[in-house]
Amino acid sequence: QTVVTQEPSLTVSPGGTVTLTCASSTGAVSSGSYPNWFQQNPGQAPRSLIYNTDNKHSWTPARFSGSLLGGKAALTLSGVKPEDGAEYFCLLYYGGVWVFGGGTKLTVL
Amino acid sequence: EVQLVESGGGLVQPGGSLRLSCAASGFTFSSYWMHWVRQVPGKGLVWVARIDSDGTDTTYADSVKGRFTISRDNAKNTVFLHMNSLRVDDTAVYYCARVTVGASATEFDYWGQGTLVSVSS
Repeated sequence: QTVVTQEPSLTVSPGGTVTLTCASSTGAVSSGSYPNWFQQNPGQAPRSLIYNTDNKHSWTPARFSGSLLGGKAALTLSGVKPEDGAEYFCLLYYGGVWVFGGGTKLTVL
Repeated sequence: EVQLVESGGGLVQPGGSLRLSCAASGFTFSSYWMHWVRQVPGKGLVWVARIDSDGTDTTYADSVKGRFTISRDNAKNTVFLHMNSLRVDDTAVYYCARVTVGASATEFDYWGQGTLVSVSS
C-alpha cells in the first residue's frame, strides 16, 4: 500500500517562510507524479492551490510556490499571512490511482 | 461561473446502497475528467475514483473497488457515484472535483461543497 507522508503540523510566524513537504513510500517524487496541493479550512471544501508540481491557478496567491525538493514535492509559503493558517494536503499520481498525503496543519503564530 | 453541486447523501444501514450525484455547470462538462474524494470529518482527504471525459475509463481506490461505480451522463452534465455494500467506514463527506488532463499535465481545480454519507445501524 502506497503511503504519502506530510509533516503533521508546522508553525510559522507572520511574514515568515515555511516549506511543507510531500514524500512517497515508493521513492523520489517526480514531475510524473503530477503533484497537486490543496488548502482546506475547517468546515469548507478543499481549494486547489498548485498543480503539476509548480503551476498556480489564477486564484493562487503569489506567496505560494511549488517545487521538487530532495526527492519530495514541496509547497513553500513566503511572507506568510494569518489567513494562511489551514490544513494543506498534497496529492500524488500512481499510474491510474491517486493518493493523498495525511495533511499538514499550518499554524500562523 | 464553474459550479459543482453534490447531492444524494444521507443515512444508510450497513450493506445498503446509495447514489451520489454531482451536477456541473458553467463549463463544457464533457471535456473534463471527474473525480470523487471523501473525508471523514476531522480527518484527511481520501481519493475514491475517477472517470475520463467520455466515461469509457474509470479507476478506483482499493478500498472501494468492486463496491463503488463511477459513471457520468454528459447530456445531463452530471457525474455519479454508485455505492453498494456500504460499510461503517464509508461514512464521510464526499466531494466531486473537476480535473483537466493534458499530455503531461493533470490539474485539479474546482471542487463541490460535499455531501455527507452516514453508514450506521
